[in-house]
Amino acid sequence: DSGVTQTPKHLITATGQRVTLRCSPRSGDLSVYWYQQSLDQGLQFLIQYYNGEERAKGNILERFSAQQFPDLHSELNLSSLELGDSALYFCASSVSGGSYTQYFGPGTRLTVL
Amino acid sequence: AQTVTQSQPEMSVQEAETVTLSCTYDTSESDYYLFWYKQPPSRQMILVIRQEAYKQQNATENRFSVNFQKAAKSFSLKISDSQLGDAAMYFCASLSGGGADGLTFGKGTHLIIQP
Repeated sequence: DSGVTQTPKHLITATGQRVTLRCSPRSGDLSVYWYQQSLDQGLQFLIQYYNGEERAKGNILERFSAQQFPDLHSELNLSSLELGDSALYFCASSVSGGSYTQYFGPGTRLTVL
Repeated sequence: AQTVTQSQPEMSVQEAETVTLSCTYDTSESDYYLFWYKQPPSRQMILVIRQEAYKQQNATENRFSVNFQKAAKSFSLKISDSQLGDAAMYFCASLSGGGADGLTFGKGTHLIIQP
């Protein structure tokens, strides 16, 4: 158990819908990262937040957005969902940004029908 | 931008034997870090080992060790005394030391342990 929690574990929805994935980092970690794992694209970095502020963007679509709240939990919002958005979405956290090791949550499996 | 290449989609090893998984990377940065993560059938991403690029000494963690060849941009993982629980996807990843970025992953190597 990494100490990073993600909810829900599984999510099934329809095209065009909007969903929110939630992540709670390890106690004491200030930085949260979101990743997408799909068969087509492999593991891709989406976005990083540090202490409530956006710090880095990766291959995140404009239909996707994220935020980190004062209690340091983070949410990833996915809208206008397409079949290709079906994937495993991971949250990871680290003490700070930079070189600190990232510890991953169990992931949320999103299926878009 | 960083790139990570794992050229072995699948490897197989007999239980108790030693296996080496290959990884090459490319980066223009002088400050970076390299990782191996394991993803078993549960899909959880588990850190196996970490290497700081500025360290010449190869990292080791129990049965897991790396061969870090900085000039060749190579970062292989050696698993000694392979166990059935080692069966998983193994991902090599790089991270910029600059502070604002995510991990760049390779496509992974599926490791099969033969009993």
